Amino acid sequence: EPEVTQTPSHQVTQMGQEVILRCVPISNHLYFYWYRQILGQKVEFLVSFYNNEISEKSEIFDDQFSVERPDGSNFTLKIRSTKLEDSAMYFCASSRWTSGTSTDTQYFGPGTRLTVL
Amino acid sequence: RKEVEQDPGPFNVPEGATVAFNCTYSNSASQSFFWYRQDCRKEPKLLMSVYSSGNEDGRFTAQLNRASQYISLLIRDSKLSDSATYLCVVKETSGGYNKLIFGAGTRLAVHP
Repeated sequence: EPEVTQTPSHQVTQMGQEVILRCVPISNHLYFYWYRQILGQKVEFLVSFYNNEISEKSEIFDDQFSVERPDGSNFTLKIRSTKLEDSAMYFCASSRWTSGTSTDTQYFGPGTRLTVL
Repeated sequence: RKEVEQDPGPFNVPEGATVAFNCTYSNSASQSFFWYRQDCRKEPKLLMSVYSSGNEDGRFTAQLNRASQYISLLIRDSKLSDSATYLCVVKETSGGYNKLIFGAGTRLAVHP
């Protein structure tokens, strides 16, 4: 069964450093998402991406964050200058469609645990 | 007001018990609803979609009451492997794109 993959599984970084989290969505999916989950809290939407553009972003997704699809398979989340409060689990998700059909289920990757020291 | 609200639990039940989780959502325009399951430090996994007429998948039954903006999940004959956090999720659509809004989850612990 196809699945979303993410690398690395755990990233430790110093405050102020840049990090890039990588995701490989399911191959025939067109819509891509990043969510984050701070330890002990709920999963929160960060950004959605379609056709090489951000389609929606949350208040959390400020100028320190960016997303990119550098090639036909990878989808990345970059945090330019990490802060302590960026420590969280970051989940990538993808879906075939975006609305109106039963096939628009979002499938989640296993996550990258980011620890900012 | 929280967008999706759930009782955090934990619910501690013996094997074989029936347990019910409730959820309320604030956006009356929401169209799609789901239950996801999340094991400790793992990704959310879709358990089932929730349809207006109610739907069942084996031991799991989901109900939706749009008038009350209320969603429920019933688990019958609980197994040890059902121990997890159950996330009530609402899909919001804007401009043709969607995002998932998660509740904080209800923790279930099934014991022998």
